[in-house]
Amino acid sequence: TQLLEQSPQFLSIQEGENLTVYCNSSSVFSSLQWYRQEPGEGPVLLVTVVTGGEVKKLKRLTFQFGDARKDSSLHITAAQPGDTGLYLCAGSWGATNKLIFGTGTLLAVQP
Amino acid sequence: NAGVTQTPKFRVLKTGQSMTLLCAQDMNHEYMYWYRQDPGMGLRLIHYSVGEGTTAKGEVPDGYNVSRLKKQNFLLGLESAAPSQTSVYFCASSTGLAVQYFGPGTRLTVT
Repeated sequence: TQLLEQSPQFLSIQEGENLTVYCNSSSVFSSLQWYRQEPGEGPVLLVTVVTGGEVKKLKRLTFQFGDARKDSSLHITAAQPGDTGLYLCAGSWGATNKLIFGTGTLLAVQP
Repeated sequence: NAGVTQTPKFRVLKTGQSMTLLCAQDMNHEYMYWYRQDPGMGLRLIHYSVGEGTTAKGEVPDGYNVSRLKKQNFLLGLESAAPSQTSVYFCASSTGLAVQYFGPGTRLTVT
């Protein structure tokens, strides 16, 4: 069974602070995605990374895929209250279109 | 273009009762998925479908059945609900490029 572990599980910070969320596995993934989920809604895709070592930026969010394609990180610069939500990483592998989801990181940004 | 819709949004069942959750997508996606989300456990795949008329088991299929009689619809059935099935259920669809689009969820409580 492939597992994706995220850390930290919970994070409460002040507006303007920086933070990093980690997503780790012992398995190699062909691609890895990050989703954000707000209360009462389904997850919404933020980014997909497919190449080992790849770095993608989405405004104040920076996503990195590990060289060995087993781990990923999400860094948020100068967090804002609108960044509050549950962040989920999800990996896919082989020819399947299935995703395995991480355990999630619940982020609260206080104004 | 409504994307992925789910009905109902909320439901309370007594142990042993049955119900069907409906997922509909208007994006002409081949792949559809049913997940359950429980605190601290991320999203876990229940069943999925790679096209009309096909279904397959995911990570936690026991106690659930599914049908995909039409391409745009994916039904999840609980024949005899148990308290352990209290959860939030999400449907998703994709084109087969791994990126999944999620519905808003159904919150189910089994007493």
